[in-house]
Amino acid sequence: LAKTTQPISMDSYEGQEVNITCSHNNIATNDYITWYQQFPSQGPRFIIQGYKTKVTNEVASLFIPADRKSSTLSLPRVSLSDTAVYYCLVGGLNTGTASKLTFGTGTRLQVTL
Amino acid sequence: GAVVSQHPSRVICKSGTSVKIECRSLDFQATTMFWYRQFPKQSLMLMATSNEGSKATYEQGVEKDKFLINHASLTLSTLTVTSAHPEDSSFYICSARVGEAGKYNEQFFGPGTRLTVL
Repeated sequence: LAKTTQPISMDSYEGQEVNITCSHNNIATNDYITWYQQFPSQGPRFIIQGYKTKVTNEVASLFIPADRKSSTLSLPRVSLSDTAVYYCLVGGLNTGTASKLTFGTGTRLQVTL
Repeated sequence: GAVVSQHPSRVICKSGTSVKIECRSLDFQATTMFWYRQFPKQSLMLMATSNEGSKATYEQGVEKDKFLINHASLTLSTLTVTSAHPEDSSFYICSARVGEAGKYNEQFFGPGTRLTVL
């Protein structure tokens, strides 16, 4: 299973763009990259998923370079409600152990006024 | 999106008792469900993977006789913590996945169950 490395914590002011980078040097060909958000005492919530290049949805963008050894979650104009832990996960096809998701340490984002 | 529920949301029990936690996929059929445990300020740790109609696969270090998992239907998996002790106090989270072999399938997480053993 590919291991991920993220910064333990980040601070931002409300209204700024936040970029959280995740390293996954051992990513396999079949692995997708998925980001989850978790608030205290709640289950993780899906944010965005990608395989390569750039993916954008209504809440975030995901940038993946050509070598796929890292990825960057971009949150535009964060608000106080974006204060949470963000997890980067890599996982592959629904076959055996590759289908498990292994959570790393996550990045604790603190947004202030 | 797909919804996964857990019941109860929180439970307090005495040491030595058993506690059952239910995980349901409300609007889809889940061939595979996962159980995680999360201690305060820590990440989620996968405990076991359960497939409908078969025995669960436990991660290394997780006692299968202590954490009983039953996945009797495509919409329900249960985790029973037997003879609970204070060190079992934790936040238990399940996730469910629609399984299609050979495809990447998103996992949908439940809201979690806070277990406190006195």
